[in-house]
Amino acid sequence: NAGVTQTPKFRILKIGQSMTLQCAQDMNHNYMYWYRQDPGMGLKLIYYSVGAGITDKGEVPNGYNVSRSTTEDFPLRLELAAPSQTSVYFCASSHGGGSPTNNEQFFGPGTRLTVL
Amino acid sequence: KQEVTQIPAALSVPEGENLVLNCSFTDSAIYNLQWFRQDPGKGLTSLLLIQSSQREQTSGRLNASLDKSSGRSTLYIAASQPGDSATYLCAAMNTNAGKSTFGDGTTLTVKP
Repeated sequence: NAGVTQTPKFRILKIGQSMTLQCAQDMNHNYMYWYRQDPGMGLKLIYYSVGAGITDKGEVPNGYNVSRSTTEDFPLRLELAAPSQTSVYFCASSHGGGSPTNNEQFFGPGTRLTVL
Repeated sequence: KQEVTQIPAALSVPEGENLVLNCSFTDSAIYNLQWFRQDPGKGLTSLLLIQSSQREQTSGRLNASLDKSSGRSTLYIAASQPGDSATYLCAAMNTNAGKSTFGDGTTLTVKP
């Protein structure tokens, strides 16, 4: 199993540009998440999904959009990039539901994004 | 709203020392609590997950405890090694919808 994969690893954007961060998992997990981590800080939830076709906002959703057309993929779209979106973005997944252990989260390696 | 605090922000110890990392949360109605390790420039690696009904979990030299009534979790690392140097984060999950609140982490340095 590859686990949770993310592409690209690094990206530099100009203000106003758009891009999509890709995330995929091969563990047949129902739940998927997008977080951002600013330097020296913990992770903040951007969006999450409890299954294909279902998404919901997290703590910091402004400036982002997501879709979940398949169980495996959960792309994050940045429209009109701003310097405040400079951060490291992590995708995670968990099996979800039932026992609390089903919500153990597994993380991808992250995408380091700089907006200039 | 759940708030998670990790103190201290940084800790430096000599090799071989036993140590405790602290995690405090404000809402005791948690579903589970998970401890992660993060190496510089890397993603998060899950270390231990404690269910709300459990008091502790162990994996090798690591032991995590949970006290919901006081809003605290601790991560105990026995016989620390330089390879344990990393940032350790805790995350409290409040519902089975999977939304977690993370602390800012404790950066541990183990000196040879």
